[in-house]
Amino acid sequence: NAGVTQTPKFRILKIGQSMTLQCTQDMNHNYMYWYRQDPGMGLKLIYYSVGAGITDKGEVPNGYNVSRSTTEDFPLRLELAAPSQTSVYFCATKGPFTGELFFGEGSRLTVL
Amino acid sequence: AQSVTQLDSQVPVFEEAPVELRCNYSSSVSVYLFWYVQYPNQGLQLLLKYLSGSTLVESINGFEAEFNKSQTSFHLRKPSVHISDTAEYFCAVSEGAGSYQLTFGKGTKLSVIP
Repeated sequence: NAGVTQTPKFRILKIGQSMTLQCTQDMNHNYMYWYRQDPGMGLKLIYYSVGAGITDKGEVPNGYNVSRSTTEDFPLRLELAAPSQTSVYFCATKGPFTGELFFGEGSRLTVL
Repeated sequence: AQSVTQLDSQVPVFEEAPVELRCNYSSSVSVYLFWYVQYPNQGLQLLLKYLSGSTLVESINGFEAEFNKSQTSFHLRKPSVHISDTAEYFCAVSEGAGSYQLTFGKGTKLSVIP
């Protein structure tokens, strides 16, 4: 069981470039999340999805977009990268009964 | 709206000494409470959780946390820390399994000094 898989693990972007962070899960969970983690700031929710075809904004959605065409995949797109988007990004799923989140290993993005 | 406060951003402690990492939450309804641990350059892993029942919950590596409803707290403790416990610890609250939202505190970095 792979759990939650994120790619790439590391990426450097130039200002204005676009990219997609991939997230896939094999746990058949309906709920999926994207968080960003900045030093001393904890985790902030960017977007979440309660099932295929349904997405909604979290606390810090500006500059990002998501889609959820299947239960397994929840990609996060950055359209015009800015230095403020330098961060570590985590994808997670939520178990149906306990509310526990299962995290991927993270994607470290640097925008120069 | 729910919120989580972790009062200490950094906690240094000598090896084999006890430690307590503090967590307070605010919520208007019944909650589920979690502690997650993040080792360097890794994702977050569940350490322990309180859903219902006994207010004292334990992890497999010697940590415990006690849910105190009157003080809205869920402090994490370990009687004797090891070097391998060096990590960042996050407290989180959810308003039940049906809630989409899990709110995290800002984290506490535990540094165990040999």
